[in-house]
Amino acid sequence: KNQVEQSPQSLIILEGKNCTLQCNYTVSPFSNLRWYKQDTGRGPVSLTIMTFSENTKSNGRYTATLDADTKQSSLHITASQLSDSASYICVVSPSGTYKYIFGTGTRLKVLA
Amino acid sequence: NAGVTQTPKFQVLKTGQSMTLQCAQDMNHEYMSWYRQDPGMGLRLIHYSVGAGITDQGEVPNGYNVSRSTTEDFPLRLLSAAPSQTSVYFCASSSQNTQYFGPGTRLTVL
Repeated sequence: KNQVEQSPQSLIILEGKNCTLQCNYTVSPFSNLRWYKQDTGRGPVSLTIMTFSENTKSNGRYTATLDADTKQSSLHITASQLSDSASYICVVSPSGTYKYIFGTGTRLKVLA
Repeated sequence: NAGVTQTPKFQVLKTGQSMTLQCAQDMNHEYMSWYRQDPGMGLRLIHYSVGAGITDQGEVPNGYNVSRSTTEDFPLRLLSAAPSQTSVYFCASSSQNTQYFGPGTRLTVL
């Protein structure tokens, strides 16, 4: 069964610190892997998208990595800000489909 | 561009009532989809459409109907609401590379 698992479930860090969120998936083959940010009460917003042949993609302070051999991805947040407090969701799209398989997300809280 | 809009933002129904959640996009995307988001679970696909007149079931389609008469609109109908349909519903519209989500509708079924 195609699955996307994320860890940790939740994370609390101090403002200015870095953090890394993990995503393991069993979807194979897949066409792309995405990371979304979802603020409380809002819809998810795309941060990065990587095809199976890419191994890193950056968007400002957000850097996503992908290891297709181990079926793992990570999202690294540099110099965290209070506005980074949100849920971060890993999403994998199986090849040949219009579908997306969502992880349950990591809830990040950045404290002043 | 307004992007993806959803109405209403909040709705309370009694068991057995029917209603339609509205979704519209102004980006001329062919692909649109409906998800529900429940605590502790990832977003789950209810129905999707790859163009006007074409719809298909997702992972959790039971109790929901959709239609796609125009490229812009993709309404989701609850035929006979049940407490298990209490959830937050998101509509999404996709280009080749990016999926855009609406602000969501929070539905409570009593």
